[in-house]
Amino acid sequence: DIQMTQSPSSLSASVGDRVTITCRASQGIRNNFSWFQQKLGKAPKRLIYAASSLQSGVPSRFSGSGSGTDFTLTINGLQPEDFATYYCLQHNNYPWTFGQGTKVEIK
Amino acid sequence: EVHLVESGGTLIQPGGSLRLSCAGSGFTVSSTYMSWVRQAPGKGPEWVSVIYSGGSTYYADSVKGRFTISRDNPKNTLYLQMSNLRPEDTAVYYCTREGQMGTIGPFGYWGQGTLVTVSS
Repeated sequence: DIQMTQSPSSLSASVGDRVTITCRASQGIRNNFSWFQQKLGKAPKRLIYAASSLQSGVPSRFSGSGSGTDFTLTINGLQPEDFATYYCLQHNNYPWTFGQGTKVEIK
Repeated sequence: EVHLVESGGTLIQPGGSLRLSCAGSGFTVSSTYMSWVRQAPGKGPEWVSVIYSGGSTYYADSVKGRFTISRDNPKNTLYLQMSNLRPEDTAVYYCTREGQMGTIGPFGYWGQGTLVTVSS
């Protein structure tokens, strides 16, 4: 199975900050990779697909980059509604696997 | 507009069987690939199974041989038949489908989830 390792597991940030979350795959997954946001009690929501494409309706402050094994989610100008847990996903090989999550909290 | 509505979650004893349903609207279930994803309390999401438009299916090792994904085309409904349930199967189960046309990859749409609790 492909292991997806996210870092950090949690972070504290202020409104307006630039936040970067990374995800590393245990083997190459091309760009078969997505980022999700999950708020408490809600289903995850896809933010980024194909590593760097912004899902329709998602604010442009979210961006994704990377290919192969190393990927990054950047939030430029953190907003109050962005405090949530973020997960990465690889769908290059079965079983599709998620990272362990990064909780973004208010400083 | 795409909507996914799961049902069937309940409290069930270990070793029991249960069928989850996911009613789709705004699209045709059989024309796309659809998955089940589960999330145990306090844990991250875990992919469970996928069914493709051509009927091919794949499963996570943790459920292989115990769970079966299927669909009823006239009812536009996706199912997950679960048997020999274990306490570690306790989770919210989400029905998902691939993203909208022009995008790539799974889990573009999610239902609200249905809770399965396996306990004696």
